[in-house]
Amino acid sequence: KAGVTQTPRYLIKTRGQQVTLSCSPISGHRSVSWYQQTPGQGLQFLFEYFSETQRNKGNFPGRFSGRQFSNSRSEMNVSTLELGDSALYLCASSAVGGEKLFFGSGTQLSVL
Amino acid sequence: KNEVEQSPQNLTAQEGEFITINCSYSVGISALHWLQQHPGGGIVSLFMLSSGKKKHGRLIATINIQEKHSSLHITASHPRDSAVYICAVSYNTDKLIFGTGTRLQVFP
Repeated sequence: KAGVTQTPRYLIKTRGQQVTLSCSPISGHRSVSWYQQTPGQGLQFLFEYFSETQRNKGNFPGRFSGRQFSNSRSEMNVSTLELGDSALYLCASSAVGGEKLFFGSGTQLSVL
Repeated sequence: KNEVEQSPQNLTAQEGEFITINCSYSVGISALHWLQQHPGGGIVSLFMLSSGKKKHGRLIATINIQEKHSSLHITASHPRDSAVYICAVSYNTDKLIFGTGTRLQVFP
């Protein structure tokens, strides 16, 4: 069974641009959650989707948005990038009633 | 005060030693997760606990709901156990609140 796939692995953008990151969950998993990891703030929850609906959202500005498609694949978008958005963005998927989260390898975003 | 507190922040051990990492949280939770992150970023979920104790190989995780405390034990530690271990709590969803992590180095 393939794991959680995140693309791209690395991304370099400049301030003011926007970016879209993709996450394909493990087949059969309907829940996808997104996290941001920075050296200063550690890991922080961004949002969670289940069956195309956002179930929870973390404390991030409206520039951060996401969506989930009918095949459970998810995208997150960051508009008007700021230097502070440089981070490792991780997604994770889980099965209904599942015990564990399965994480992707992450997308390392650098904003110059 | 962080909602999830981990200790110690850094831990150094000799191969074969018994290791304990602690996690305390401030409010009632539905589940507690122990995660392992190796250099390069990949995160592996080790355990999800809502009560009692779980064991997988040399790893043991316990949780005391009344005391709002969990421990992760590694028996017979090995250099390949070197990683950052992260405690996280959840409230009926996959929204996780993370601790700051414990950096473990095991020397041969």
